[in-house]
Amino acid sequence: RKEVEQDPGPFNVPEGATVAFNCTYSNSASQSFFWYRQDCRKEPKLLMSVYSSGNEDGRFTAQLNRASQYISLLIRDSKLSDSATYLCVVNRGSNYQLIWGAGTKLIIKP
Amino acid sequence: NAGVTQTPKFRVLKTGQSMTLLCAQDMNHEYMYWYRQDPGMGLRLIHYSVGEGTTAKGEVPDGYNVSRLKKQNFLLGLESAAPSQTSVYFCASSYLGSQETQYFGPGTRLLVL
Repeated sequence: RKEVEQDPGPFNVPEGATVAFNCTYSNSASQSFFWYRQDCRKEPKLLMSVYSSGNEDGRFTAQLNRASQYISLLIRDSKLSDSATYLCVVNRGSNYQLIWGAGTKLIIKP
Repeated sequence: NAGVTQTPKFRVLKTGQSMTLLCAQDMNHEYMYWYRQDPGMGLRLIHYSVGEGTTAKGEVPDGYNVSRLKKQNFLLGLESAAPSQTSVYFCASSYLGSQETQYFGPGTRLLVL
């Protein structure tokens, strides 16, 4: 079993809709969590951190559920430019190594 | 600022050949990393460096070597390329104490025949 698991998708969503996807992690000692975004054939870029109290940045909301060991990303009023792969990232805190999920592909259709 | 740059962008190697991938950053970051990205898998850390002259092994170091002689450069070497090393290689860097916020280069696509 992978330490960080994501539904690979693709999620096909009409423009303007709300979409949410989750990421589960298996190591209960994981300390911090992040969402990165990766456009097709480009490098990953940090989208947002996920705090215990949740985190909202414009149309994007990230939540952490430690009891069930998952994080979520919700995108409201989706735009064509939101089409990308969203990578879930976990920091165990014990060394410099981040654990990366394989990503969820999102396609926003006009 | 160029941020993080990688050369080359694309390379084809034959099995057994060697090559060096160059990563350079102009953000004065202490930490630098080399990852590989394969279909259906998350980024996997090959080697990393927490400062000039220091390197450490990551999750998948076998078949690779690295050097960080200057703070701004991090080199990844393949001594004897194998088809299993066909991948996209990303270099990243981050500030001291902030390894979660990593800045990535554009990647190098490597094909080993």
